[in-house]
Amino acid sequence: KQEVTQIPAALSVPEGENLVLNCSFTDSAIYNLQWFRQDPGKGLTSLLLIQSSQREQTSGRLNASLDKSSGRSTLYIAASQPGDSATYLCAAPSISNTGKLIFGQGTTLQVKP
Amino acid sequence: NAGVTQTPKFQVLKTGQSMTLQCAQDMNHEYMSWYRQDPGMGLRLIHYSVGAGITDQGEVPNGYNVSRSTTEDFPLRLLSAAPSQTSVYFCASSYRSVAGDTEAFFGQGTRLTVV
Repeated sequence: KQEVTQIPAALSVPEGENLVLNCSFTDSAIYNLQWFRQDPGKGLTSLLLIQSSQREQTSGRLNASLDKSSGRSTLYIAASQPGDSATYLCAAPSISNTGKLIFGQGTTLQVKP
Repeated sequence: NAGVTQTPKFQVLKTGQSMTLQCAQDMNHEYMSWYRQDPGMGLRLIHYSVGAGITDQGEVPNGYNVSRSTTEDFPLRLLSAAPSQTSVYFCASSYRSVAGDTEAFFGQGTRLTVV
């Protein structure tokens, strides 16, 4: 059974710190991995999609990497801000390629001013 | 840029009532799916569809029905609501690229309370 795990479950940092969120997955045959952000009471916003041909993807202060051989992905947030406070979810597509996503439990980030 | 649209945003049902959660996408995506999100349980797949006329069960399908008569719409029906179905429901659509990558887009969710 495919599984996705995120560590830590929660993280609190002072404003300005650089931080790394971790995501591990059990099946190295996945094509790609997607990172989402979820604000309290809101939907999922796609942050980054790391495609099969890429090892990393960048958007502003966010950088996500993908290492399929080790079954790991990281989301790096540079110079964190209070507005970054949210839950971050990583998701891997089912290897059956039916559009299903396997989600981690998420990391809830709090950035303190 | 509508993307994935879910209605309603909030709903309160009495135990035993039935209702349909609507989901529509305007991106011509082949794949659509329904998830529920509960505290401590993460996102769990209810049903999914790989194209019009084709649906299948996910991880937690009991008490829910789906159909997909068009590419655009994928409604989720609660047959007889139970308090255990109190949750936030998310609809997603996705496509598969030629290279095999899958990118998903989500609706804003429906917050359902069953009393």
